Amino acid sequence: TQLLEQSPQFLSIQEGENLTVYCNSSSVFSSLQWYRQEPGEGPVLLVTVVTGGEVKKLKRLTFQFGDARKDSSLHITAAQPGDTGLYLCAGPDTGTASKLTFGTGTRLQVTL
Amino acid sequence: NAGVMQNPRHLVRRRGQEARLRCSPMKGHSHVYWYRQLPEEGLKFMVYLQKENIIDESGMPKERFSAEFPKEGPSILRIQQVVRGDSAAYFCASSPGAPRDTQYFGPGTRLTVL
Repeated sequence: TQLLEQSPQFLSIQEGENLTVYCNSSSVFSSLQWYRQEPGEGPVLLVTVVTGGEVKKLKRLTFQFGDARKDSSLHITAAQPGDTGLYLCAGPDTGTASKLTFGTGTRLQVTL
Repeated sequence: NAGVMQNPRHLVRRRGQEARLRCSPMKGHSHVYWYRQLPEEGLKFMVYLQKENIIDESGMPKERFSAEFPKEGPSILRIQQVVRGDSAAYFCASSPGAPRDTQYFGPGTRLTVL
């Protein structure tokens, strides 16, 4: 069974601060996806990283896929209250690629 | 282009009743996935369906749970004789194809069992 562990579980920061969220596994993933989920809503896809070492930027968010494709990170620069939410990483199951394995989640709170 | 639609958004059932959750995939998508999110936990895969076929139900509890995706109409997740432990958010996702296509999620159905 592939597992994705995210850290930290909870993060409370002030507006303007930077932060990094980590997603780690002992298994290799063909790709990893990052989602953000707001209370009462479904996960919304932010990005998919496919190639080992790949870096993708989405405005103030920077996503990196580890060289060995076992880990990923999400870095947010100058966090804003609108960044508040649950951040989830997910990867396709090796056996059945259509099944996504989700990480444990990082709950981010950005205050003024 | 409408996204994945789920209804109802909130469902309250008493123990022993049946719960039916509906999911309409995005236009042009023929692959549907159901996930369950227990309070303060991540999403767990339940079942993957294509039109009229169950492809992978490895995440479905062995009893009381069933899913279908008929030729016409939405996908249905059915829970018979609900128990308090079934209280959770149930999310549906769809993709245009598989196995590696991006999955797009609906807003979820929050099931509360009294």
